[in-house]
Amino acid sequence: EAGVTQFPSHSVIEKGQTVTLRCDPISGHDNLYWYRRVMGKEIKFLLHFVKESKQDESGMPNNRFLAERTGGTYSTLKVQPAELEDSGVYFCASSQGDRTYEQYFGPGTRLTVT
Amino acid sequence: AQSVTQLGSHVSVSEGALVLLRCNYSSSVPPYLFWYVQYPNQGLQLLLKYTTGATLVKGINGFEAEFKKSETSFHLTKPSAHMSDAAEYFCAPPGSGSARQLTFGSGTQLTVLP
Repeated sequence: EAGVTQFPSHSVIEKGQTVTLRCDPISGHDNLYWYRRVMGKEIKFLLHFVKESKQDESGMPNNRFLAERTGGTYSTLKVQPAELEDSGVYFCASSQGDRTYEQYFGPGTRLTVT
Repeated sequence: AQSVTQLGSHVSVSEGALVLLRCNYSSSVPPYLFWYVQYPNQGLQLLLKYTTGATLVKGINGFEAEFKKSETSFHLTKPSAHMSDAAEYFCAPPGSGSARQLTFGSGTQLTVLP
């Protein structure tokens, strides 16, 4: 069984540019989560999808961040325009049905905004 | 809201020595508790999980943790450290939100000395 995959693994962009991160969850997992770890800080929850619906986006920092999950499969997280403070590692996780506390994480995308 | 404290951002042990990584959760008893591990250049991997029932939980790679309600603790231990255990470890209870997102401790970087 393939795990959670994320693309790209690293991204370096300039302030003001746009970046789109992609996450492919484990097949059959309805729940998809995005988290972020800014350097030196804790891993923080960003948002949660159930299938294609956003269930909770209370952790999204501001409206420069847009997440989508078309068709309930893969998800994208777009940052537009990127700011320096957006640098960090973005993790995606997925979980299955009623076992929603046990989440499987991808390797993360390291975003550097210069 | 559930929170967790990991005492010691960096822990160093000699190979073969006992590993003890500390985690204390907030006063409300969580239904679940997790330890995740992040090896260098990899994603977060579930190490072990506590659910209601047995308070001593065994995980992968020889790790175990004991849930102590009276001490609000869920410390991670391993009798004998291996070089391959060098990684960052995160204690994670579920959050209080409907998304069942995880709330992570600040992480403990474990170094194993030869």
